[in-house]
Amino acid sequence: ETGVTQTPRHLVMGMTNKKSLKCEQHLGHNAMYWYKQSAKKPLELMFVYNFKEQTENNSVPSRFSPECPNSSHLFLHLHTLQPEDSALYLCASSQRTGGSYETQYFGPGTRLLVL
Amino acid sequence: RKEVEQDPGPFNVPEGATVAFNCTYSNSASQSFFWYRQDCRKEPKLLMSVYSSGNEDGRFTAQLNRASQYISLLIRDSKLSDSATYLCVVDNAGNNRKLIWGLGTSLAVNP
Repeated sequence: ETGVTQTPRHLVMGMTNKKSLKCEQHLGHNAMYWYKQSAKKPLELMFVYNFKEQTENNSVPSRFSPECPNSSHLFLHLHTLQPEDSALYLCASSQRTGGSYETQYFGPGTRLLVL
Repeated sequence: RKEVEQDPGPFNVPEGATVAFNCTYSNSASQSFFWYRQDCRKEPKLLMSVYSSGNEDGRFTAQLNRASQYISLLIRDSKLSDSATYLCVVDNAGNNRKLIWGLGTSLAVNP
């Protein structure tokens, strides 16, 4: 499926590196999300963008910096991460936020390992 | 009490069995409920929304019990391909309109 794509699929980085995760949705949706999924923990919502505007920052440390240049693209810039940030980072999109809850469509995720 | 709580399992069942999962939620004002499915090392995908009157989709039946604050998922005639983790998702009924995800229940259907 190519509805929501994410690159890279795997990433290993040191604590002093800077890297970026990219997400692109081809569904014509207006809302995009970043989630973190760690072992033995539920999905954690990190950021929400609705029509390119950030509407949610779920108390995420500043070493994670999102960017949404348009409704189809979402980035997560990573800087000076910690080993506990190792996780699966999932991007999702939906038609819009507000009103009733819509189905969220997820990308395949980026599996991140911080050494 | 956790906002959304599921029995993590794993549930091991033979092909053809009927299996049921429950999920409890803490916010009595929650209005939207979903079951998502996540295969091993894959992304979550919507299985079905859960409506007040209950709803059925083929072998899958979802029920909502508001009085006891739980939702359930029943899978009849289990197939090998049903092996996955089933995630319960509930809205937080807050102004910021977040979905709260459960940890998931792992199901293994055996031949």
